[in-house]
This record gives sequence, C-alpha cells and structure tokens, in this order.
Amino acid sequence: SYELTQPPSVSVSPGQTARITCSGDALPKQYAYWYQQKPGQAPVLVIYKDSERPSGIPERFSGSSSGTTVTLTISGVQAEDEADYYCQSADSSGTFYVFGTGTKVTVL
Amino acid sequence: QVQLVESGGGVVQPGRSLRLSCAASGFTFSTYGMHWVRQAPGKGLEWVAVIWYDEINKYYADSVKGRFTISRDNSKNTLYLQMNSLRAEDTAVYYCARLGELSLWGQGTLVTVSS
Repeated sequence: SYELTQPPSVSVSPGQTARITCSGDALPKQYAYWYQQKPGQAPVLVIYKDSERPSGIPERFSGSSSGTTVTLTISGVQAEDEADYYCQSADSSGTFYVFGTGTKVTVL
Repeated sequence: QVQLVESGGGVVQPGRSLRLSCAASGFTFSTYGMHWVRQAPGKGLEWVAVIWYDEINKYYADSVKGRFTISRDNSKNTLYLQMNSLRAEDTAVYYCARLGELSLWGQGTLVTVSS
C-alpha cells in the first residue's frame, strides 16, 4: 500500500524556522495537505493543495513541492506551534487516501 | 453552525460489531465525499474509508477491507461506519471528516476492543 514518509521529530528554538518533509511516489501527481494536531484535539488544516493557506492560518505557515517531496515550513516558530504535523495525500489513482507518519515539532 | 458530531463508540469484545454515526450540519452534506479516519492511542492518523457524495463509490484501507462498511443517508445528513469482526488493533478514536480544501473534522468517538 502507498506510504508517505515524514521525520519523526523536529526541534526548533522560538523565532527560528522549522521545515518538515513528506515523501511519496505519487506526490508529483497528487496534491498534499498538511494538518496540525495538538493533544486531545482534532486535526486542523494548515496547508492545502501543496502551498495554499486556509483563512485564519498565520502567514508563518507555508508549503512547497518538489518532485516526490513536499515541505511544510514554519517561519518564526512560536511556542503555540508545538504539535504533531501530518501530511495527507492520495495514491496515483486518487482513489485511496493516506496520511504521513507524522512529525512531532518541539519548541525548545 | 458547520459541524460533524460522531456517536456510537464504546467498549466491545473482540469479534463483535459496532456501528458509528456522524451527524452533519451547517453545510450541504449531499455534495461532499466523506471519510472516516482513526487514531490509535499514542499513534498517528490512519485513513479508514471514503464514500463519494453519490452514496455508491466506496473505498477502504487494506486494514479494514471486508470487515468495515461505510455508508451514508443524505436525507438524514448522516455518515455511518459499520464495523464487524473487531480486533484489538481497531482500538482508536474514530473521526468523521470532510478532507481537502474545505477540511472539517468531528471531535471523534473512542472505540475500545477488549475482552
């Protein structure tokens, strides 16, 4: 079955930049979406269609795509950004959906 | 108010069945594909199933195919997940969700499979 691979953890100091990668063979063909999840809460969409930001999401969140890898960038990280982040996409047919393995962002 | 509200979770013995429901409100439910996503304790998100707006096209993760059935009743704005032959590894919080640009998630309902 199709998989999306993320690093398990990223640590960053306040004000610095955090970058989270997500790799998958079908990413050149299918859009990626990024979700933020805090403990005990449902996921919240922070990036859609690789690089678009939903209304209400701070400008410090951005997304990019290059080949089989998409990247979520958090510029000027704040303490409130500490959370788990998941990429989400679909297989090459667009039929079966998949979430990435998840990345825990720790703000030092 | 745009929202999804799950219900039907609980404790169930291995091999038994359970049906989850998800009540949608505040949007035109019948025009959206809808998903079930689960999260085992301390683990990541796992996509479970999707049903298209037409109530006909349905697709499942390999881990639940043949045991779980997704369905919807557009007249009642409700999404369902019938779970049969439950296993310990099905223990998770189950979310109903509208994925994509107009993302919308419920608060989740906990299913515990244990003897």
